[in-house]
Amino acid sequence: SQTIHQWPATLVQPVGSPLSLECTVEGTSNPNLYWYRQAAGRGLQLLFYSVGIGQISSEVPQNLSASRPQDRQFILSSKKLLLSDSGFYLCACNGVSTDTQYFGPGTRLTVL
Amino acid sequence: TQLLEQSPQFLSIQEGENLTVYCNSSSVFSSLQWYRQEPGEGPVLLVTVVTGGEVKKLKRLTFQFGDARKDSSLHITAAQPGDTGLYLCAGAFVYGNKLVFGAGTILRVKS
Repeated sequence: SQTIHQWPATLVQPVGSPLSLECTVEGTSNPNLYWYRQAAGRGLQLLFYSVGIGQISSEVPQNLSASRPQDRQFILSSKKLLLSDSGFYLCACNGVSTDTQYFGPGTRLTVL
Repeated sequence: TQLLEQSPQFLSIQEGENLTVYCNSSSVFSSLQWYRQEPGEGPVLLVTVVTGGEVKKLKRLTFQFGDARKDSSLHITAAQPGDTGLYLCAGAFVYGNKLVFGAGTILRVKS
């Protein structure tokens, strides 16, 4: 079964600083990968998803970008963080079926 | 527009009580997933329901998919403090790569 790693686990950054969050997946190949943001422990907002290396679909126009340099690596970035970028960021990959998704442990980002 | 309406948003009950969480939509889903999430952790998949009318049981949890595959419910019998958490439903569309999530139900079970 797949295992999803995310780092860092927590991050405190000043407004205007850059961001790089990393997600790696083990135990599967050619997965669909997803970045979500969750505010205040509620529902998940899909930010980006990728069906293959170099293929990124953006769901919401925003201050963030994503890249997939390797099959099992997904990176979330920003050149200049905003206060509104604070939140809990989750990486996910699909299971055997694309209907199910499995989540990493998340990164708590606080922008001050 | 929220494609998946989840209710209630918050539920606080005593240990031993029963509860039901609902997930409703006007859209038809190819499948529906239920997740449970604890604070500071990622959601954990509980179950996937695929067939209209399907009922799945996971110990004290019973999941049902509506006949028209537009809605689902999660029923917990004799809730325990360990059931406390955020419960999320998520729907998948045919030929899609994405899930649509409900806003979640925060469950607190008091001992």
